[in-house]
Amino acid sequence: QKEVEQDPGPLSVPEGAIVSLNCTYSNSAFQYFMWYRQYSRKGPELLMYTYSSGNKEDGRFTAQVDKSSKYISLFIRDSQPSDSATYLCAMSDYSGGGADGLTFGKGTHLIIQP
Amino acid sequence: DAGITQSPRHKVTETGTPVTLRCHQTENHRYMYWYRQDPGHGLRLIHYSYGVKDTDKGEVSDGYSVSRSKTEDFLLTLESATSSQTSVYFCAISEGLSYEQYFGPGTRLTVT
Repeated sequence: QKEVEQDPGPLSVPEGAIVSLNCTYSNSAFQYFMWYRQYSRKGPELLMYTYSSGNKEDGRFTAQVDKSSKYISLFIRDSQPSDSATYLCAMSDYSGGGADGLTFGKGTHLIIQP
Repeated sequence: DAGITQSPRHKVTETGTPVTLRCHQTENHRYMYWYRQDPGHGLRLIHYSYGVKDTDKGEVSDGYSVSRSKTEDFLLTLESATSSQTSVYFCAISEGLSYEQYFGPGTRLTVT
């Protein structure tokens, strides 16, 4: 049973569109949520992190957590070709125990068409 | 990639040879991790360290060993490389086990 599900895509949208990326999870203990952006042949880069439920905004990016539905989202407004990348979600229960630390989704490949 | 370097960045080696990958950090973070990333599998944790000489296994540790003799360096060793270990290897660091992690630029390893 996979703990974190993420549609691999590719998701292709025109420049300027609003993009919605999502992850679902099964572990109700998760309370710390992150989004990473990974360009081709580069390391993942931390984009956003949130604690518990609610929204967090940073420029064109908004992270949203709905713990009741076990569902997290990343919205990108006014999408640009430079946003084309793979986006990975990650989460943890903050317990500090176990070998896993963070649990990652497999990533969604996003393509912004000029 | 700030404060984290990996070496080598690319390596081609033959089956059966030993290989050591190095991760170096300048952030003085306590936790360091080694992941491999493969198509269809995402990031998988190999080993992690929670301090000098303190390490533990991750999800896919078979065939790999690690060492950490200094806070800033974390080494990953493939004792006898196999073709199934062809992958991209990422090092990551964090202040705590369940905190956000910061990744290095990766090492692309090909075992022929």
